Amino acid sequence: RKEVEQDPGPFNVPEGATVAFNCTYSNSASQSFFWYRQDCRKEPKLLMSVYSSGNEDGRFTAQLNRASQYISLLIRDSKLSDSATYLCVVSPMGGATNKLIFGTGTLLAVQP
Amino acid sequence: DTGVSQNPRHKITKRGQNVTFRCDPISEHNRLYWYRQTLGQGPEFLTYFQNEAQLEKSRLLSDRFSAERPKGSFSTLEIQRTEQGDSAMYLCGASGGNTEQYFGPGTRLTVT
Repeated sequence: RKEVEQDPGPFNVPEGATVAFNCTYSNSASQSFFWYRQDCRKEPKLLMSVYSSGNEDGRFTAQLNRASQYISLLIRDSKLSDSATYLCVVSPMGGATNKLIFGTGTLLAVQP
Repeated sequence: DTGVSQNPRHKITKRGQNVTFRCDPISEHNRLYWYRQTLGQGPEFLTYFQNEAQLEKSRLLSDRFSAERPKGSFSTLEIQRTEQGDSAMYLCGASGGNTEQYFGPGTRLTVT
């Protein structure tokens, strides 16, 4: 079983739609959680950190449920420019490494 | 701009050759990470440096791979006797102590 699991998609949605991505992680001691965005053949870029209280950044809302080991990302009013792969990322507890464990990513294609 | 640069951006090599990649973070990035990403997968952790000390190596880092960060600034990743399975994007991540990592543009390796 992978440490971080995501639905690979693709998610094909029309402009203006609301889309939700889900992710589960297996290490209950995981400490930090993120969503990264990756455009085709580019490096991952930090979209937002995810906190237990939930957090919002414009059209993006992230939620963390530690009890269910579940992370979500909601994108409202989708734009063409949102088309990318969204990577769910976990940083395990223990040691000082703070290495990142990535899911395989969910591909989003926003259609005009 | 994340402040992390990588060179070369692309490398094509023949099987059996040695290759070396370089990562240059900004001076505030005392933590440096190498990841490998193959098509359709998320990045996978290879190794971690805190300043000049290599503190963790993944089992993915076979004995053909070696990484250095001699002065705690730039880092190099060398692959000896390359194999076709080494073809991937090699990403350098860096951070200044918190868990938010920023990535360079990557080096895309193709082994023929």
